[in-house]
Amino acid sequence: GENVEQHPSTLSVQEGDSAVIKCTYSDSASNYFPWYKQELGKRPQLIIDIRSNVGEKKDQRIAVTLNKTAKHFSLHITETQPEDSAVYFCAGRTGSARQLTFGSGTQLTVLP
Amino acid sequence: DAMVIQNPRYQVTQFGKPVTLSCSQTLNHNVMYWYQQKSSQAPKLLFHYYDKDFNNEADTPDNFQSRRPNTSFCFLDIRSPGLGDAAMYLCATSRDLAGINEQFFGPGTRLTVL
Repeated sequence: GENVEQHPSTLSVQEGDSAVIKCTYSDSASNYFPWYKQELGKRPQLIIDIRSNVGEKKDQRIAVTLNKTAKHFSLHITETQPEDSAVYFCAGRTGSARQLTFGSGTQLTVLP
Repeated sequence: DAMVIQNPRYQVTQFGKPVTLSCSQTLNHNVMYWYQQKSSQAPKLLFHYYDKDFNNEADTPDNFQSRRPNTSFCFLDIRSPGLGDAAMYLCATSRDLAGINEQFFGPGTRLTVL
């Protein structure tokens, strides 16, 4: 089955700096890669996703890049703000499967 | 305008005492999922329903069961909770259509086992 690895497990940045979180996946048939943000005690919420037919997607300060050859994808947050502090999970979905395989999460702390 | 609702938000049970967690959705999604999330870990899929078809993950303990009486509701039954079952339980839904994959999560039920 699919295996998704996520790095780093913790990340601290100064407010205004950029943050990058990276994930690798094992199954070359994976075709959908969402990113979820989970604030302490709250539900995971989708912040951006990308499909395998696209190399990059942006939504304001958030972008995701996908390298199918290397089987990795990354989340980029620019001009970070304290409210960006949360745990971020990447995930992958293989083919027609309905299940997502989650990465282990990254605790992002934005220091004021 | 809540879309995925979980009740209760906090549940305390005793070791070995059966407990049921509930999830309801107003999205009319055909897929519903149950995840277990322990502190500082990723959500772990227990099982999911595609309409009425039940799909169990291979490593989900037999202690966990689920029911989906209709499109809107799904229940998680823990037959004999152990201390290791204390966790946040998240329900999620998705519409299983080509190109539409987003999973919508409920707020979760935090289970404490005494």
